Amino acid sequence: KAGVTQTPRYLIKTRGQQVTLSCSPISGHRSVSWYQQTPGQGLQFLFEYFSETQRNKGNFPGRFSGRQFSNSRSEMNVSTLELGDSALYLCASSPTVSGANVLTFGAGSRLTVL
Amino acid sequence: AQSVTQLDSQVPVFEEAPVELRCNYSSSVSVYLFWYVQYPNQGLQLLLKYLSGSTLVKGINGFEAEFNKSQTSFHLRKPSVHISDTAEYFCAVSYMEYGNKLVFGAGTILRVKS
Repeated sequence: KAGVTQTPRYLIKTRGQQVTLSCSPISGHRSVSWYQQTPGQGLQFLFEYFSETQRNKGNFPGRFSGRQFSNSRSEMNVSTLELGDSALYLCASSPTVSGANVLTFGAGSRLTVL
Repeated sequence: AQSVTQLDSQVPVFEEAPVELRCNYSSSVSVYLFWYVQYPNQGLQLLLKYLSGSTLVKGINGFEAEFNKSQTSFHLRKPSVHISDTAEYFCAVSYMEYGNKLVFGAGTILRVKS
């Protein structure tokens, strides 16, 4: 069974640009969550999607957005990039929405903002 | 507020010695508890989970953890570590009413020395 696939793995952007990150979940998984990992703030929850609907949202500005497609693939977008957006963005998938689920994480997309 | 505290940011230990990584969480309701490991430039991998039942849970690679409700702790232990266990370890908690949202601790870097 293929794991969670995130693309691109690495990217460099400049301040003010926007970026779109993609996540393909494990086949059959309908929930996709996104996390931001930085040295200063650690791992922080961004949002969760299930069946194309946003179920939960973390405490991030509106520049951070996401969506989920009918095949469960998800994208997240960050507009008007700031230096502080430099981070590892991790996607995780699970079969359903339940606190008891085990999340399977992808390898992440490392974003550097110059 | 939901929070997870990992009491040690770094734990150095010699190979074949035992280790305990400490984790406390704040919650007055039922929680699900997880330990994840992250190797350099990789995503998170599940070590073990506590959902209900026996308070001693066993995971992969010889790790185990004990859930202590009265002390709101979920410490991770391994009786004999290997060089390959060098990585960052994250304790996380989820709640039934918040879906798959995980609240992570700040992480503990385990450094195994020969």
